[in-house]
Amino acid sequence: TQLLEQSPQFLSIQEGENLTVYCNSSSVFSSLQWYRQEPGEGPVLLVTVVTGGEVKKLKRLTFQFGDARKDSSLHITAAQPGDTGLYLCAGAGSSNTGKLIFGQGTTLQVKP
Amino acid sequence: DAGVTQSPTHLIKTRGQHVTLRCSPISGHKSVSWYQQVLGQGPQFIFQYYEKEERGRGNFPDRFSARQFPNYSSELNVNALLLGDSALYLCASSSEPRTTLKFGPGTRLLVL
Repeated sequence: TQLLEQSPQFLSIQEGENLTVYCNSSSVFSSLQWYRQEPGEGPVLLVTVVTGGEVKKLKRLTFQFGDARKDSSLHITAAQPGDTGLYLCAGAGSSNTGKLIFGQGTTLQVKP
Repeated sequence: DAGVTQSPTHLIKTRGQHVTLRCSPISGHKSVSWYQQVLGQGPQFIFQYYEKEERGRGNFPDRFSARQFPNYSSELNVNALLLGDSALYLCASSSEPRTTLKFGPGTRLLVL
């Protein structure tokens, strides 16, 4: 059974601080996605990483896929209150379906 | 262009009842996936349909069933509701099974 462990589960920081969220598994994934979800809404895709060792940047967000394609991290620089939300990582297996395995999520609160 | 739409937005049922949730995919998308998100957890895969056929099924009991119609909309049915079925039910559409998912806002089901 493929599992994704996210850490930390909760994070409360002050505006301007940096943070890193980790997503780890013992399984290899063909790709890994990061989503952000706000209350009352569905997850919104932030990025997809496919190649081991890949690094992608989205403004103040930096995403990295581990060399072995088993883990990933999300780093936010100078967090802002608008970054508040639930961050989810999700791995895609090698089956023909589009089934995603989600981590349990990291709830981020950025205080002004 | 309209996103994925789901109805109803909220629903309250009692144990033992059954429920039908509806999803309309983005125009042109032929694949629909259903996920269950219990409070404090990441989404869990329930079903995927593509071209009206089931392409994948998650680890859910037979009380859960779904179908996809010729216009690619979909219904998720849950029979004999249990308290533990209380969750946000997310529908996601994609052009094909392994392409990027777009999530709807979800239906929040409360079972009393």
